[in-house]
Amino acid sequence: AQKITQTQPGMFVQEKEAVTLDCTYDTSDQSYGLFWYKQPSSGEMIFLIYQGSYDEQNATEGRYSLNFQKARKSANLVISASQLGDSAMYFCAMIFPRGQGNLIFGKGTKLSVKP
Amino acid sequence: NAGVTQTPKFRILKIGQSMTLQCAQDMNHNYMYWYRQDPGMGLKLIYYSVGAGITDKGEVPNGYNVSRSTTEDFPLRLELAAPSQTSVYFCASRKGTGAFFGQGTRLTVV
Repeated sequence: AQKITQTQPGMFVQEKEAVTLDCTYDTSDQSYGLFWYKQPSSGEMIFLIYQGSYDEQNATEGRYSLNFQKARKSANLVISASQLGDSAMYFCAMIFPRGQGNLIFGKGTKLSVKP
Repeated sequence: NAGVTQTPKFRILKIGQSMTLQCAQDMNHNYMYWYRQDPGMGLKLIYYSVGAGITDKGEVPNGYNVSRSTTEDFPLRLELAAPSQTSVYFCASRKGTGAFFGQGTRLTVV
């Protein structure tokens, strides 16, 4: 069965530094997609970045980039130049297009940015 | 373009009552999902739909029902509410590489 693992329950980072949030996944599908979401304390789910399993380039969106290592089945989120507003829960999620369209989530990592 | 709209935002139910959480999207997305998020936890998939007339169970379907009569709407029905269903419920829709969430419904069963 497909599974998403986020091993860091909580992370601290100094403002203006870069931080990497880990995400590993387990699937036998060759076609899949990986998402990262941010959930601030206000509770909404904010889409950050997407990576397809066949994409050759690592996805980037502003200060967010995805370090995709297909052989290792990892899709780590890198946030550059952290800001206080980056303090939030971050969730990794996976979609299986060839399956039934399931979108499943990891348990999340709580990021705290220190001034 | 409203995206994904959930109603209500808050609701308190008594044990044994029933209610329907509404979800509507205006992006013509085929895929729609219902999740619950318990305090301090991740999102667990309740039900999903790959298009009008097609629904399937997720990880935690017990105590819930869904229907998908149109592409736009995907209501979640709670029958005989129980305290264990106290949670925040999120609806999401997806087409291709974009998956977007509603604002959530905070449900308390007392």
